[in-house]
Order: sequence, then C-alpha cells, then structure tokens
Amino acid sequence: SQTIHQWPATLVQPVGSPLSLECTVEGTSNPNLYWYRQAAGRGLQLLFYSVGIGQISSEVPQNLSASRPQDRQFILSSKKLLLSDSGFYLCASDPNYGYTFGSGTRLTVV
Amino acid sequence: AQTVTQSQPEMSVQEAETVTLSCTYDTSENNYYLFWYKQPPSRQMILVIRQEAYKQQNATENRFSVNFQKAAKSFSLKISDSQLGDTAMYFCASYQGAQKLVFGQGTRLTINP
Repeated sequence: SQTIHQWPATLVQPVGSPLSLECTVEGTSNPNLYWYRQAAGRGLQLLFYSVGIGQISSEVPQNLSASRPQDRQFILSSKKLLLSDSGFYLCASDPNYGYTFGSGTRLTVV
Repeated sequence: AQTVTQSQPEMSVQEAETVTLSCTYDTSENNYYLFWYKQPPSRQMILVIRQEAYKQQNATENRFSVNFQKAAKSFSLKISDSQLGDTAMYFCASYQGAQKLVFGQGTRLTINP
C-alpha cells in the first residue's frame, strides 16, 4: 500500500516570506498527485494536480505554485506569502481511484 | 461544474445508536466513483468506504454502509453501533474523471457517551 510523507507538520511564517511544502509518495509509481487546502471547519479546495513529471494543472488563480520534479515528489511553493494563504494543506495521491492523503501541514501566516 | 452537497453541517447521536449522513451529487457521467472520508481531530483524512457507480450493490465496511441511489444521485452513509471514536468530520466526495475528487462541505458528527 502507498504512504504519503508530508512535511513540515506545522509552520508559522511572516507575510512576504517564501514557502516550500514537500510531499513524497512511497509504494506506488506514476500516481496522480494533488494539493488541497482546507480552511478551518470547511471542505477541501483543490489547488493543483499533476498527472506526471513536470505536468501541473492549476485549479484556482492564487499566490501559490506547484512543481513535480520527480515521479513521486510534489512541491507547493510561494515567493511571497499572504495572510490569506493560512490554512491546512493536504497532499494526496491517487494511483487508481482511491485517494490516499498525507498528514497535512498547518500553515499560519502572521 | 461537478458539485457534491452535504445538507447536514452537524449531527449528534448517543453512543451505540445508528446515524445516517446525507450526500447528493451532480453528474452527467454513467461511470464514476463515490467516497466517504473521515477526518478526526488529528485532521488526517481516512477513507471510510468507496462505491463504484456501475455496481448496484451497496458497499459495506464493517459498521459502515452506504445507500446508493443512482437515479436520485444520492449517496448516504450509515454508521451502525456508533462509537466515541467515530466522532469526526465526514466528507462525501465524487470522482468523475478529469483526475480529481470533488468534496462536499462536510458533516461534523459527534458521538456522545
């Protein structure tokens, strides 16, 4: 079975600072990978997804970007964080119609 | 756009009772997948149950079962003999191709002792 490693678990960053969240997948190859954001007490909003190395689809215009430098690595980045970027970020992998999620990163922008 | 609707923001039941969470979805596809996810206070997303639309038989996983009504586009989750550990947010989700899941807004379920 696949495992998703996501770090860091918690992050507090000042406004205007850069961001890099990393997600790696074990136990599968060539998965679809996803970044979701969840506001407190709300549902999940899809930010980016990737069906292969270097292939990124963006779902919403925003201050964030994503990259997939390796088959099982997915990175979420920002050059300058905004207060509105605060939230809970989840990475997910879908090798065959069944998402597996990482444990998430709680990002607070201050 | 694909939509998934959970009309119950919060529910509360006593331990050992049975509870049903509602979900409706919108699709123009014939084949798709439906899911229920559990998110406990740790915020880890845990897959509870999965239903393939072409299968008429309702999916069951131990105390968790679904009532899949394809014509009505309804996909409810029934939790039998509820336990304190079932306390969590529950999300209904639809996978209709385009390589992505669409989630409902969630139902916060509390199991009281």
